[in-house]
Amino acid sequence: SQTIHQWPATLVQPVGSPLSLECTVEGTSNPNLYWYRQAAGRGLQLLFYSVGIGQISSEVPQNLSASRPQDRQFILSSKKLLLSDSGFYLCAWSPLAGGRYNEQFFGPGTRLTVL
Amino acid sequence: GENVEQHPSTLSVQEGDSAVIKCTYSDSASNYFPWYKQELGKGPQLIIDIRSNVGEKKDQRIAVTLNKTAKHFSLHITETQPEDSAVYFCAASMNTGNQFYFGTGTSLTVIP
Repeated sequence: SQTIHQWPATLVQPVGSPLSLECTVEGTSNPNLYWYRQAAGRGLQLLFYSVGIGQISSEVPQNLSASRPQDRQFILSSKKLLLSDSGFYLCAWSPLAGGRYNEQFFGPGTRLTVL
Repeated sequence: GENVEQHPSTLSVQEGDSAVIKCTYSDSASNYFPWYKQELGKGPQLIIDIRSNVGEKKDQRIAVTLNKTAKHFSLHITETQPEDSAVYFCAASMNTGNQFYFGTGTSLTVIP
């Protein structure tokens, strides 16, 4: 069966510090990968998605970036955090587009607080 | 692009009553409509989904209906229980790109 991991689970960082959040998926190959942000009491905002190694699409211009160095690894980064970057960051995966299923499966999330 | 609207934003029901959450979408090319349940501090969990070639789908106490002509779909929870309390999100998707467009969520409270 497939599982998705995110770490860290919680993070408190000062403004201007760098960020690296990691997401890994087990039990599948060549998944689509996604990064979402969820502000307190709000919906899900798609930040980045990737259909393969080194292939990243950005949905929202901002000071965040994403990378996919391996097939099942997705990293969210920032060089300098802003207060507005605080939120709940969710990684998700789905089978290949055009496959039988379109489901997206979410990880447990990372709670980021920027002070 | 696709726009998904979800109502109501909050919903309180007595235990045992039914709950209905409604979503509308704008792009007629959308063909996959999942529903997620998110408990506090956790990632969303897929609870039921429906594809555009089906009008209704049921899984025990949960059902989803889809009206393609009107571009709306709804989640129905019967015989609600306190453990149904959570935030529920609808979404719409097309095959191309596999991107999901989410509603803004409904906070459901089931009162014992």
